[in-house]
Formats: sequence, structure tokens, C-alpha cells
Amino acid sequence: GQQVMQIPQYQHVQEGEDFTTYCNSSTTLSNIQWYKQRPGGHPVFLIQLVKSGEVKKQKRLTFQFGEAKKNSSLHITATQTTDVGTYFCAGGLTTDSWGKLQFGAGTQVVVTP
Amino acid sequence: SQTIHQWPATLVQPVGSPLSLECTVEGTSNPNLYWYRQAAGRGLQLLFYSVGIGQISSEVPQNLSASRPQDRQFILSSKKLLLSDSGFYLCARGTGDTEAFFGQGTRLTVV
Repeated sequence: GQQVMQIPQYQHVQEGEDFTTYCNSSTTLSNIQWYKQRPGGHPVFLIQLVKSGEVKKQKRLTFQFGEAKKNSSLHITATQTTDVGTYFCAGGLTTDSWGKLQFGAGTQVVVTP
Repeated sequence: SQTIHQWPATLVQPVGSPLSLECTVEGTSNPNLYWYRQAAGRGLQLLFYSVGIGQISSEVPQNLSASRPQDRQFILSSKKLLLSDSGFYLCARGTGDTEAFFGQGTRLTVV
């Protein structure tokens, strides 16, 4: 079954508003990665977090990795129409010796002008 | 550079026909490779992954199969397509600790 869960599945946002999407794992992650997929495109890497409690920012995007390395969040401030797309989190499970990357189901973001 | 070639970009196939999607990787040796399927507006469903030549792990039982005849080549196949096989197929490389790179994807419609 799905080991990396993302909520919400859909997010409708008014342009200019903030929103947050969450990623949770039942197993400790070695790292967390975030990807963005524009409509009709393929997922593109945004960022990787490795350390417990790590916080990274990319302009209006703030990424956080939980202290227990089991959850993560992506917060977008002052949403713009260019933020439309599906955001995926992904991580490696410390229990997985194959080093397989586990993806969440994604949060589909729709921005209303 | 980490380049992944996938073809074709779009494909329309009748039910019951065979399928072969090819993915080739440049710029790295012994990559971990993945096949994902994405239904319209949905998440990524992991179908197969491979850690080396001839080593394939299936995540979801179905009428699809995968093969890795060469280090940088990953092939997704089916002997007889079903309507439910329609979707966006993505090849990717990466490990649990490194950035994943995706191909451009193949949009398959089974009619």
C-alpha cells in the first residue's frame, strides 16, 4: 500500500492567498523530496531535505522536514497562477535496502484569479 | 547531463493489441529505473522498478511487464492491452536518496 501519504488531494486557492500541503509517512524517511508537475508535463524536482527539522525556502515556497523525519510540508505564500499544478512529495524509506523512491499521491492545486 | 528519452509521446492502441514503450537513459551507469502510470488528474502509481540488468520488481499485479535488457534501457510491455491501461506512462531514474529525473512521458489511449 501507499507508504507516503499526501493531503489534501485537491486544493483550490484564490490568487494571493497562502496554502499548505502535507506529506506523512508511517516509516522514517532518509530524506524528503518535492516535485512539481505542470498540467500536461512531467514531474520536475524542486528541492530535497535531509536533516531532521530542516527548513528551506525558494522564493514564495517554504519546505519543512519534521523532527522525526516522518512528515513534511510545503507552504506557498501569495499564490500566483503560475503555481498551478500537482505537487508531489517523495522520499527514501530507511527500511528499504533497495533505495526505492516512494512518491505520495500528490496535491493538485488550482488557482482562481 | 541526466537525460531520459521516452517514446512515443502519444499513442492510441486498440484493445487487445500489444504494447512496447522504451526508455533509455544517458549520463549515468547502473541507474535505478522506474515505470510509473498516472491516470488523468491522479497521482503516480509505481508499476515496476529495476536496480540493474535483468532485475525487475513488480509493484502491482496486472497485464503489464517490464524488462531491462541493457543497463540504460528499460522497456514496458503488454501482450494484450485493456481499456484500463490508458494513462500517462513515465519513466524515471533515481534512488531513495537522490533527485529523480523523469522522461517526457507517453500518453497512451486504449480504444
